[in-house]
Amino acid sequence: ETGVTQTPRHLVMGMTNKKSLKCEQHLGHNAMYWYKQSAKKPLELMFVYSLEERVENNSVPSRFSPECPNSSHLFLHLHTLQPEDSALYLCASSREPGTHKDTGELFFGEGSRLTVL
Amino acid sequence: AQSVAQPEDQVNVAEGNPLTVKCTYSVSGNPYLFWYVQYPNRGLQFLLKYITGDNLVKGSYGFEAEFNKSQTSFHLKKPSALVSDSALYFCAVRDGRSSASKIIFGSGTRLSIRP
Repeated sequence: ETGVTQTPRHLVMGMTNKKSLKCEQHLGHNAMYWYKQSAKKPLELMFVYSLEERVENNSVPSRFSPECPNSSHLFLHLHTLQPEDSALYLCASSREPGTHKDTGELFFGEGSRLTVL
Repeated sequence: AQSVAQPEDQVNVAEGNPLTVKCTYSVSGNPYLFWYVQYPNRGLQFLLKYITGDNLVKGSYGFEAEFNKSQTSFHLKKPSALVSDSALYFCAVRDGRSSASKIIFGSGTRLSIRP
């Protein structure tokens, strides 16, 4: 149990579907992250939220839309995805970067395995 | 720009033997260095980190890593490997402690421990 919970763990969707991935952290952290992990590629940072404000958007296609309603919850809304978007999507949280509370490391959820048909 | 390299895609070790998983990095400021482990169908799990202080850092499951500034390396080590150590290992680096600094991950090294 890492304190970061992702649902669903597995998702299969067609290219015209709309679905969402959910992440919840119980660690009292103020920063949350979405990473994409594809086979034989380095982890790709997609989005970063700090104090519920988006601070990083790494040229991610608009078919991925993040939402952070509060510091404990993070969503990734998916719309008209492509088969190449199939991957493991990892959520992580941390203490607020750059502050005295910042311990450096990220805490990851178990991931949501997405398959786009 | 910061970067991190894990030169070996796979490391194979016999159970009971020492293991080393290599990592080199490049940052412009003071590096924060991390090792994570990923078991099949799971997320990444934090193992250990170097921020400052002793160059030899001890972490979970008997792992340790040595920070070598002159060689810009942060190799992961364990004196005696277990079959249960078989997993994917990621080295990561962060350039300093500012709010703008990000953690960059290496491509991962698959560690396989044979009985």
